[in-house]
Amino acid sequence: GAVVSQHPSRVICKSGTSVKIECRSLDFQATTMFWYRQFPKQSLMLMATSNEGSKATYEQGVEKDKFLINHASLTLSTLTVTSAHPEDSSFYICSARDRGGTDTQYFGPGTRLTVL
Amino acid sequence: QQQVKQSPQSLIVQKGGISIINCAYENTAFDYFPWYQQFPGKGPALLIAIRPDVSEKKEGRFTISFNKSAKQFSLHIMDSQPGDSATYFCAASIIYGGATNKLIFGTGTLLAVQP
Repeated sequence: GAVVSQHPSRVICKSGTSVKIECRSLDFQATTMFWYRQFPKQSLMLMATSNEGSKATYEQGVEKDKFLINHASLTLSTLTVTSAHPEDSSFYICSARDRGGTDTQYFGPGTRLTVL
Repeated sequence: QQQVKQSPQSLIVQKGGISIINCAYENTAFDYFPWYQQFPGKGPALLIAIRPDVSEKKEGRFTISFNKSAKQFSLHIMDSQPGDSATYFCAASIIYGGATNKLIFGTGTLLAVQP
């Protein structure tokens, strides 16, 4: 149980385009989902927290107009990188917290974004 | 005060040996301490977690030791195997926004287990 999927696993796009990444909790309901960014050989940096049906809370320094987050249902959150640039190239990982109330966050497999 | 300090940055252990990774924190409001394992190109996977009311937790070859007074916790991997070679992250969780638990991650330890 407790599987989180992400789609796509890899995406290559041209500078200036927008990219949408989906995060789904497959076998549980997630009231809260988190989006992280990870650079090579570095730790996970929390970008934002999204609660189902409400606006996402962004961490300091993360542009909310650049990284649009939607959490429309208890099993789906999306991250849209708008007008992507090469510096947005990174590994994006989502996690989901079980609605059952435990502290455990289950992570997705990640999405490798490369902006040319 | 929100940081979680992790050491060492990298670790080489012989097959069958014990791998030990340490973490320290400042904020006494943290109340949940998980360890994650991450292989290259993959998302982190929960290994084991502990709460501050317990001093030790063991699951198979993985043990967390927790020292509340010192604000430190560590991961011990017994009988380390080449398949354990990965990056390990400690984390600490804090109530955030009233109900949401936010994870603060350590900087990671790259473990290499030599055959």
